[in-house]
Amino acid sequence: AQSVTQLGSHVSVSEGALVLLRCNYSSSVPPYLFWYVQYPNQGLQLLLKYTSAATLVKGINGFEAEFKKSETSFHLTKPSAHMSDAAEYFCAVSGSAGGTSYGKLTFGQGTILTVHP
Amino acid sequence: DAEITQSPRHKITETGRQVTLACHQTWNHNNMFWYRQDLGHGLRLIHYSYGVHDTNKGEVSDGYSVSRSNTEDLPLTLESAASSQTSVYFCASSESKGNTQYFGPGTRLTVL
Repeated sequence: AQSVTQLGSHVSVSEGALVLLRCNYSSSVPPYLFWYVQYPNQGLQLLLKYTSAATLVKGINGFEAEFKKSETSFHLTKPSAHMSDAAEYFCAVSGSAGGTSYGKLTFGQGTILTVHP
Repeated sequence: DAEITQSPRHKITETGRQVTLACHQTWNHNNMFWYRQDLGHGLRLIHYSYGVHDTNKGEVSDGYSVSRSNTEDLPLTLESAASSQTSVYFCASSESKGNTQYFGPGTRLTVL
């Protein structure tokens, strides 16, 4: 079984401040991990993904995430927030090749990011 | 450009009615998925398909069905709509199991 916990349903930052969105996962097999972003009234867009290569993953719009196996975490960061980053962010996990959860995403509850001027 | 579309974008129906939500992708992806999004739950997997004539139940499949007669389409049917099925529904597709899932714009369904 696999699961994802996102700590904090709402995060508020000032423009130019560090963005840190937390994600912890549980998986019985080596995981693939994803961060998606959802803007209002739109579908989900992939920000970045980890699939067992480099543990520090860089994505679009200046976001990055680090896979820490010992902490079962995959936190999303961005050094300087922009107003356009305001959206809902979802962390998701799937199993790696060979497992029954391979190819199926399990999502966290989502974190709404608000950016203040 | 290749894309994934959903129709209708908004639907209001009554309890007990059968409803079908359409999903169409032009990427020629083998895998297609249906999720529902509810506040506090994130997205939950309803059904998925790994190819034509293949369908599988997800985490919250009760009251829903799908069929896959071609590569491009995976319609989701609510056999007898219930108020608990009021939600936003997203379709997604991926080339293979290890690849990124691409999401459609969603269908907001209200069951009165």
